[in-house]
Parts: sequence; C-alpha cells; structure tokens
Amino acid sequence: GIQVEQSPPDLILQEGANSTLRCNFSDSVNNLQWFHQNPWGQLINLFYIPSGTKQNGRLSATTVATERYSLLYISSSQTTDSGVYFCAVVFNSGYALNFGKGTSLLVTP
Amino acid sequence: DSGVTQTPKHLITATGQRVTLRCSPRSGDLSVYWYQQSLDQGLQFLIHYYNGEERAKGNILERFSAQQFPDLHSELNLSSLELGDSALYFCASSAGHGSYNEQFFGPGTRLTVL
Repeated sequence: GIQVEQSPPDLILQEGANSTLRCNFSDSVNNLQWFHQNPWGQLINLFYIPSGTKQNGRLSATTVATERYSLLYISSSQTTDSGVYFCAVVFNSGYALNFGKGTSLLVTP
Repeated sequence: DSGVTQTPKHLITATGQRVTLRCSPRSGDLSVYWYQQSLDQGLQFLIHYYNGEERAKGNILERFSAQQFPDLHSELNLSSLELGDSALYFCASSAGHGSYNEQFFGPGTRLTVL
C-alpha cells in the first residue's frame, strides 16, 4: 500500500554533530513537508520540498522525486534540536498529508 | 507561530461525553484539515474542508463530525467519547484546496478521556 517510511527511528547525538534523516515514499507526490515536533507537542514547519534542495540556517533538505526519497540534514546540532522529525507527503491521488512514524532525535550536551 | 489557532489547549472529560474543538485558520487560508495524533496510530488525517464545503474524509469515526463556518473557522465535534479517543488533535490550514499547497499546523488540542 501507500507508505511513508522514515529512518532511523531513533538517534542520539552529541551537541555539535551532524546528522541525516531519510524519508522514503511509495508513490509520486505533489507535496512533501518536513516538520519538527518539539517536546511541547507543537508541529513546526521546516521545509515544503516536493523536489529539489532548500536550506534554512543549519538545516537543509533534498527531495529526489524520481527516486522517491527525501533527506533532512542537520548540521552542528544543538540541544534545542531534540524532538521528533516527521516527513509527510500528499500523494498525487489525494489532498491530505500522510505522515511517517518519525525520527526521534536527542541531542546531548 | 504558524498563525493557526486552536482552542482549548487541553480538555479532560469522561467517557460518553461530547466535546467541541475549535480552529481558526491563517488569515486568507480557505482550507482547513483535521488530524489526530495518538500513540498507537501516529498522525492520521481525519477530514478536509475548503471554503465551507467538505472535500475529503480520512479515518474519521462516525461519532466524529466537523464543519467549516462562513468566517472559515472550523469545529470538530467528538461524541460518545471512549478512552481510545484520547489524543492530540491538530488543525492545519492552507491557502487553496489542491494537493500542492503547504499546510500549516496549529498548536493542537490535547484531549484526555477518563
């Protein structure tokens, strides 16, 4: 069936380290978004990136739509980066975001 | 701050009761989406409204209903509540109704059913 898979499920980093989070999706998409869910439960938009590459400060993202994956890069991680990172897509056939299970990130001092 | 507002932030109620969650979209956005986040099901789409009309339904139970009013705010009504309905309920909004539109999420309403 239609799926969004994220890896790794859990990640522990020391402050200052870099990381790459991956999102694989099973079908063509019209929309792909990355979110950060902070410890208070808020879903914060990071990127709207159905294709191509974008950068915002220490974060960047790349989506290769033809190969059905997206990558989120976090550089020089900080403790405030801790939380759960979600990838969500809208497939060509729909309107709603389909979420992956997330990557839980813990950045330690 | 995404510009999407939701009230209340927290809600504690008993089984069998009915509650109403409220959402105001970002200024100018015509689409409202409701999502449910629970520990066992993750984040799931419930329903989508565009300019007052229902556009799509997801995994929404028959005990749940929603509507979007002329001023574009939306309400999600949950009735005959069960313990399993305890979850974080998010509202999101976007400018249009197409699948290319970026969705922005509100802070959520945390519902606890005792």
